[in-house]
Amino acid sequence: NAGVMQNPRHLVRRRGQEARLRCSPMKGHSHVYWYRQLPEEGLKFMVYLQKENIIDESGMPKERFSAEFPKEGPSILRIQQVVRGDSAAYFCASSPTGGGSFNTEAFFGQGTRLTVV
Amino acid sequence: ILNVEQSPQSLHVQEGDSTNFTCSFPSSNFYALHWYRWETAKSPEALFVMTLNGDEKKKGRISATLNTKEGYSYLYIKGSQPEDSATYLCAFTDSWGKLQFGAGTQVVVTP
Repeated sequence: NAGVMQNPRHLVRRRGQEARLRCSPMKGHSHVYWYRQLPEEGLKFMVYLQKENIIDESGMPKERFSAEFPKEGPSILRIQQVVRGDSAAYFCASSPTGGGSFNTEAFFGQGTRLTVV
Repeated sequence: ILNVEQSPQSLHVQEGDSTNFTCSFPSSNFYALHWYRWETAKSPEALFVMTLNGDEKKKGRISATLNTKEGYSYLYIKGSQPEDSATYLCAFTDSWGKLQFGAGTQVVVTP
């Protein structure tokens, strides 16, 4: 059973370009979380998704950022018109569905390091 | 408390000494409390998940306690070793399933 897979591991974008970060959860996991780690800071919650639904996006910037977790395929975090301040490590985590049982651990991917030049 | 707070932000421990640090979380709408260990250049790894008031979990020299009524958890490291050096994150899950992390406690164990 492969772990949480994130790709690419490193992504360089010029200002104004779009960045697409992918997260394939562990098999059988239908909960996905995205976090951002800015330099010298901890993990900041961005968005929590279940299949085809955004449950909580209170940590997402209002503009330029969007996330989806379609029925088929990986979860995508999309950043449009990137700026230098978007440079950070973006981590995805997944946890199994539990019918409302959230006391199971979440497993993290290796992260995508986005650099905006 | 509205967010997850961890203290201290960092601490230095001599090899062989024991240490502990705190995680504070909202006591309302509590569902679970998680501890993770995060080494540089790696992804966070789960240590414990606790749900019941008074829970105690142990893994080797690391243990954790939970007080849901007052909203805090302690993580203990007994007989610290250099390989224990890492950032220890706690995370709070509410009944909606949102997993919210504290900023972490960075532990540096010196030989």
